[in-house]
Amino acid sequence: GEDVEQSLFLSVREGDSSVINCTYTDSSSTYLYWYKQEPGAGLQLLTYIFSNMDMKQDQRLTVLLNKKDKHLSLRIADTQTGDSAIYFCAEALSGGSYIPTFGRGTSLIVHP
Amino acid sequence: DGGITQSPKYLFRKEGQNVTLSCEQNLNHDAMYWYRQDPGQGLRLIYYSQIVNDFQKGDIAEGYSVSREKKESFPLTVTSAQKNPTAFYLCASQTDSNYGYTFGSGTRLTVV
Repeated sequence: GEDVEQSLFLSVREGDSSVINCTYTDSSSTYLYWYKQEPGAGLQLLTYIFSNMDMKQDQRLTVLLNKKDKHLSLRIADTQTGDSAIYFCAEALSGGSYIPTFGRGTSLIVHP
Repeated sequence: DGGITQSPKYLFRKEGQNVTLSCEQNLNHDAMYWYRQDPGQGLRLIYYSQIVNDFQKGDIAEGYSVSREKKESFPLTVTSAQKNPTAFYLCASQTDSNYGYTFGSGTRLTVV
């Protein structure tokens, strides 16, 4: 079955780049997602990437996929205090029931 | 604007009571999901429904029940059989694709 692992905490200074990492186990065709959760709120889909892609960029966000190592990363450029949140990585098999497996989330803390 | 509405935002349950959490979407999404989130944990799937009048158990369905009589609505009942119901409950929906979930803002349930 699928398993998604993330480190639990990351602390960065405002203006620096943040890199949040995730590893997954399934080697089939798969979709990989990054969600953001602010305190007391639901999750917001930030971006997704299909497993035949290496990189996806959207404004300050860059997603890198290393298929060989089954490693996914989310880079946030020029990190702001408003980026402080929990970031979840998730994986869903293509052609299946589309139910993703979520990691436990990485809590990003941004210092002024 | 389209979205998912969960209500109430906060809910208190006495021992032995059943309570129902509401989830309504106007996105015309076929599939809807209920997740439970505990502090420091990832999301655990309770129930999901991919079409009206049909639903499937997730990983932690015991002590919960659902119905899907309308496409727009997927209420979750937390029964007295659920021994540890205090948690944050999230409802989500998605189209018949892998493009990611739309989440509601959550209901925080507390046993008093």
